[in-house]
Amino acid sequence: DVKVTQSSRYLVKRTGEKVFLECVQDMDHENMFWYRQDPGLGLRLIYFSYDVKMKEKGDIPEGYSVSREKKERFSLILESASTNQTSMYLCASNLDRVRTEAFFGQGTRLTVV
Amino acid sequence: KQEVTQIPAALSVPEGENLVLNCSFTDSAIYNLQWFRQDPGKGLTSLLLIQSSQREQTSGRLNASLDKSSGRSTLYIAASQPGDSATYLCAAEGNTDKLIFGTGTRLQVFP
Repeated sequence: DVKVTQSSRYLVKRTGEKVFLECVQDMDHENMFWYRQDPGLGLRLIYFSYDVKMKEKGDIPEGYSVSREKKERFSLILESASTNQTSMYLCASNLDRVRTEAFFGQGTRLTVV
Repeated sequence: KQEVTQIPAALSVPEGENLVLNCSFTDSAIYNLQWFRQDPGKGLTSLLLIQSSQREQTSGRLNASLDKSSGRSTLYIAASQPGDSATYLCAAEGNTDKLIFGTGTRLQVFP
């Protein structure tokens, strides 16, 4: 079975903290994505990566950075967490060349207080 | 810029009913369209993927169709069950390798 695993289901962090969200996939996929999901706004793309050490900004990259040092792992970093970053964060991956289906992790519910 | 819309936003039906969920997109130059299911507080589960060259895909009681020229896709659920209650999302992938999502249809099937 294909699998995308996010390191935490729930996180509570304080304003100003540096926060790391980790995502690992075991499918040897080239592409990996970070989305956030908010009521009424749907899923919005933060960053994506199509190869190791490569990254592209999505629609809402401000306040975030990413790291992809290994093919299977894609990390989302909140440099200085703020309350408006309270959200559900979803990681996804897919195989690039043949435009295959995307697989999602179980989500991380982040609350910044 | 691609925009994806799903109507209705919410739907409540009795068990056993056949139903159709709608998804429309503004840019017909897509590679594929994918339907997902999301249970409350959970991640997304892939249901069906339709490549741009295909007209429909079927999996069990689910059938998804794609009409690129009109910018529409539908998800048909036959003989709905309470376990089908969830939010259903469609997403279009274009030449940017990015999935553009609709805001979803929240489905409730009551016994």
